[in-house]
Amino acid sequence: GDSVTQMEGPVTLSEEAFLTINCTYTATGYPSLFWYVQYPGEGLQLLLKATKADDKGSNKGFEATYRKETTSFHLEKGSVQVSDSAVYFCALRINAGGTSYGKLTFGQGTILTVHP
Amino acid sequence: ETGVTQSPTHLIKTRGQQVTLRCSSQSGHNTVSWYQQALGQGPQFIFQYYREEENGRGNFPPRFSGLQFPNYSSELNVNALELDDSALYLCASSREGFYGINEQFFGPGTRLTVL
Repeated sequence: GDSVTQMEGPVTLSEEAFLTINCTYTATGYPSLFWYVQYPGEGLQLLLKATKADDKGSNKGFEATYRKETTSFHLEKGSVQVSDSAVYFCALRINAGGTSYGKLTFGQGTILTVHP
Repeated sequence: ETGVTQSPTHLIKTRGQQVTLRCSSQSGHNTVSWYQQALGQGPQFIFQYYREEENGRGNFPPRFSGLQFPNYSSELNVNALELDDSALYLCASSREGFYGINEQFFGPGTRLTVL
């Protein structure tokens, strides 16, 4: 079946540090890949996505590149802020086409804490 | 544009009871997906409703059931509650039936505690 594996957490950084959160996947079909963020007490928000190999998703200074050869979609940010403290989830969805079956498969999440 | 809303926010039940959780989808969306998020884990797909019919189901027993109404709002029902059903239940709405990857917009969730 489909699965997503994220790096073990939590991750603690100082403000302006470089962030990498690793994500690898296994998929039965051709997936689209996503990063979601969950702030305390809130639901999930889509951070970025990539729908085909070599695509780069980006938003709010975060980036991730769809690497089919390594089945990876690592999240990066050059300079984190205290406001980036949240839980980050990597997810995949199989592209079924047409009236697609929209199941998202999530990783276990990585808690990020950024200190001033 | 109104986002996805869920009710109630929190709920406490005892083992063996039944519970109904509600979700109002975002305007213009025709699909609702439900997920269970246990503490410290990623969300797990329960099922999806597209135009009032179940359109896929995850690895959850039949005591988890759902409905979607003509206005595309949805209910999740859980019978014979077990302690392991304690979790955050997330609803996500999207506009499906069109080519392409359609973003799922998540509600804030309902925190269910089973004692």
